[in-house]
Amino acid sequence: AQSVAQPEDQVNVAEGNPLTVKCTYSVSGNPYLFWYVQYPNRGLQFLLKYITGDNLVKGSYGFEAEFNKSQTSFHLKKPSALVSDSALYFCASGTASKLTFGTGTRLQVTL
Amino acid sequence: DTEVTQTPKHLVMGMTNKKSLKCEQHMGHRAMYWYKQKAKKPPELMFVYSYEKLSINESVPSRFSPECPNSSLLNLHLHALQPEDSALYLCASSQEGSKGGELFFGEGSRLTVL
Repeated sequence: AQSVAQPEDQVNVAEGNPLTVKCTYSVSGNPYLFWYVQYPNRGLQFLLKYITGDNLVKGSYGFEAEFNKSQTSFHLKKPSALVSDSALYFCASGTASKLTFGTGTRLQVTL
Repeated sequence: DTEVTQTPKHLVMGMTNKKSLKCEQHMGHRAMYWYKQKAKKPPELMFVYSYEKLSINESVPSRFSPECPNSSLLNLHLHALQPEDSALYLCASSQEGSKGGELFFGEGSRLTVL
């Protein structure tokens, strides 16, 4: 069974500051891990994924995530937040047809 | 811009109406999906089509009826819905369903059942 947890309902950060959105996973075997972003009244957009290989994964819009096997984490990061990054972020695990989403974290970036 | 197109963007229907949601992708993907999303919640999988055949039905009530006319099109037929079925319905596609490929989502169809 695969599951992911997003411990924070909301993350607030000032523009220009680094941001982190947390995700921990519980999977058997090798995990497939993803981050998706959803802007208001829109569908989800793929940001990045970890399948295998380098633990630091770079994705769209300057986001990156680090796969940490010992801490079973896959936190999403960005060195400098923008107001336009404000959105709902979902961590997910599994194959395409058996994808399990986390509960989502709302990121609010303010001036 | 999304490469998965959903129509209509908004739909209001009564409980006795019959309507359909449509989804189209031209990326050559062989797996297509319907998800239901309530406000501020993660998407919930409803159906998966793989190579134009229904492969997963997540115990969805029969008032929702999916159809995959060809590899590019996916429909969701709606009949005798309940107000609690009001939600954002998302279509998605992927190259295929059994591996770690990402999903490409459409913008969604926002359904209101009166």
